[in-house]
Amino acid sequence: AQSVTQLDSQVPVFEEAPVELRCNYSSSVSVYLFWYVQYPNQGLQLLLKYLSGSTLVKGINGFEAEFNKSQTSFHLRKPSVHISDTAEYFCAVIPHSGGGADGLTFGKGTHLIIQP
Amino acid sequence: DGGITQSPKYLFRKEGQNVTLSCEQNLNHDAMYWYRQDPGQGLRLIYYSQIVNDFQKGDIAEGYSVSREKKESFPLTVTSAQKNPTAFYLCASSPGLQETQYFGPGTRLLVL
Repeated sequence: AQSVTQLDSQVPVFEEAPVELRCNYSSSVSVYLFWYVQYPNQGLQLLLKYLSGSTLVKGINGFEAEFNKSQTSFHLRKPSVHISDTAEYFCAVIPHSGGGADGLTFGKGTHLIIQP
Repeated sequence: DGGITQSPKYLFRKEGQNVTLSCEQNLNHDAMYWYRQDPGQGLRLIYYSQIVNDFQKGDIAEGYSVSREKKESFPLTVTSAQKNPTAFYLCASSPGLQETQYFGPGTRLLVL
């Protein structure tokens, strides 16, 4: 089984400041990792994903994340946030083929609050 | 314009009533999923379908039922056995299992 821990339920940040949203996971098999963003009363939009290759992945809206296998982490970063980045961010994992689980396992989400 | 549509956006259920949430995709994806979202809980998997005419229970299937008669459609029925149905329901699809999932806009279910 897999589990995902998002260490902060809320992160307040001033506009134009950098931000890091933390995600750690636990799994007995190799996983693919994802970050999704959810704006109020909307579905989830894929920000970025790590499947293989370079451990630094770039996504939409200026976000990037780094996969660290030894620390089982996949933290999300943005060098300068904007008011429009205010949203809920979810980290998720799914095992590679044959890993046993067939849906995404999500963290509980981090609410990013941008202050002017 | 490919994507996933869910309807209705809001749905009200009376006590003892079954209600059905619609999910349609035109992405030609084989796999489809239903998740339930509660505040502060993240998303939890209700049911998933790898292919037409096949579906499997997820982590919280009790009180729910699904069908997959067509590739593009995966409706979810919330039965009267689901005692706490108030939540935001999200449908997703992917080309196959263990591949990137794309989400619909969601349906909010409220109990009268």
